[in-house]
Amino acid sequence: AQRVTQPEKLLSVFKGAPVELKCNYSYSGSPELFWYVQYSRQRLQLLLRHISRESIKGFTADLNKGETSFHLKKPFAQEEDSAMYYCALKGGNTPLVFGKGTRFSVIA
Amino acid sequence: ETGVTQSPTHLIKTRGQQVTLRCSSQSGHNTVSWYQQALGQGPQFIFQYYREEENGRGNFPPRFSGLQFPNYSSELNVNALELDDSALYLCASSRGAASETQYFGPGTRLLVL
Repeated sequence: AQRVTQPEKLLSVFKGAPVELKCNYSYSGSPELFWYVQYSRQRLQLLLRHISRESIKGFTADLNKGETSFHLKKPFAQEEDSAMYYCALKGGNTPLVFGKGTRFSVIA
Repeated sequence: ETGVTQSPTHLIKTRGQQVTLRCSSQSGHNTVSWYQQALGQGPQFIFQYYREEENGRGNFPPRFSGLQFPNYSSELNVNALELDDSALYLCASSRGAASETQYFGPGTRLLVL
């Protein structure tokens, strides 16, 4: 069965500090991994996906198949990064499976 | 380009009643997926519609049903409402069933009393 685990329900860092939001997954095949973000009073939106290997708003995430992880990282937190972050997995023709999310806050 | 819209924004029902939620997909998208997001949880997949046919279903009972229309808009119907059906219901559209990128609507918040 597919499963996505985000171990931190809440995470706060000071402005300028490095950011790491953890995501671990369980899937027997080759997964596609995503990070979605929901800013206050906005809809859920795609932040980045592992297959694109891109950096969006300074965030990156590398798929580590050995550790079955897809942690989201940013070198320096900004206040506008405060949001709810969801890691999601898609395996083959199966639908998106989301983690429970991490509420991330940047302290000024 | 018009984004995904959902109606109504909020809804209050009582146990045993039926509810219909609506979703208009983004222009050019032929696939709609529905999710239930309970408080403190991530979105959970209900089902997907592709070109007016159900194309995958999550672990939800048959009282959750749906439709997709020729213009690719969609409805989610829930019969015999239960208290645990209280949640945010999200609709997402995409350009094809296998598309990686889904675009989410603002959601409909349903409260069952």
